[in-house]
Amino acid sequence: NAGVMQNPRHLVRRRGQEARLRCSPMKGHSHVYWYRQLPEEGLKFMVYLQKENIIDESGMPKERFSAEFPKEGPSILRIQQVVRGDSAAYFCASSHDQGALNYGYTFGSGTRLTVV
Amino acid sequence: GNSVTQMEGPVTLSEEAFLTINCTYTATGYPSLFWYVQYPGEGLQLLLKATKADDKGSNKGFEATYRKETTSFHLEKGSVQVSDSAVYFCALKGETSGTYKYIFGTGTRLKVLA
Repeated sequence: NAGVMQNPRHLVRRRGQEARLRCSPMKGHSHVYWYRQLPEEGLKFMVYLQKENIIDESGMPKERFSAEFPKEGPSILRIQQVVRGDSAAYFCASSHDQGALNYGYTFGSGTRLTVV
Repeated sequence: GNSVTQMEGPVTLSEEAFLTINCTYTATGYPSLFWYVQYPGEGLQLLLKATKADDKGSNKGFEATYRKETTSFHLEKGSVQVSDSAVYFCALKGETSGTYKYIFGTGTRLKVLA
């Protein structure tokens, strides 16, 4: 049973380009969570999605960032017109239902985005 | 709002030394508390958790006790190995911030020397 799969592992983009990060949840999981880790910092919540729905995007920057989790296929985190400050590691986690308080998620290995 | 504070790193120890990484939290209600470990270039792995006061989580020789009176969840290990070198994150999930949403500390880097 594969874990949470993220790709690419490393992504380099020039300023102004678009970045697309993919997350395939664990088998049977329909809830996905995205977190961002800036250099030397902890992870910060970005967005929580259920199949075809955004449940909580309170941690997403208001501009240039969007996320989706279609009925078929992986969840996508999209960053338009990237800037150097977007350079970070982006992690996703998944669960089979809305995570209970005591439920510990498994995270993917992350995508490390570098903007040059 | 809810928050987690971890001791600053890096922490450098010799093999077989005793490890303590301090973690304190601020939260309303009764959060669940977690420790995650991140090895170089990898994602976060759940190390242990505790879901109510006085619970002790343990795994791979690591342990932490949920202390509500001191709002702490310190990570300990009696004898560290070189392979324990990693970044350790304390985190909580609380009812007021959303039962699905982690609040993470900034992480503590541990380096164990042979």
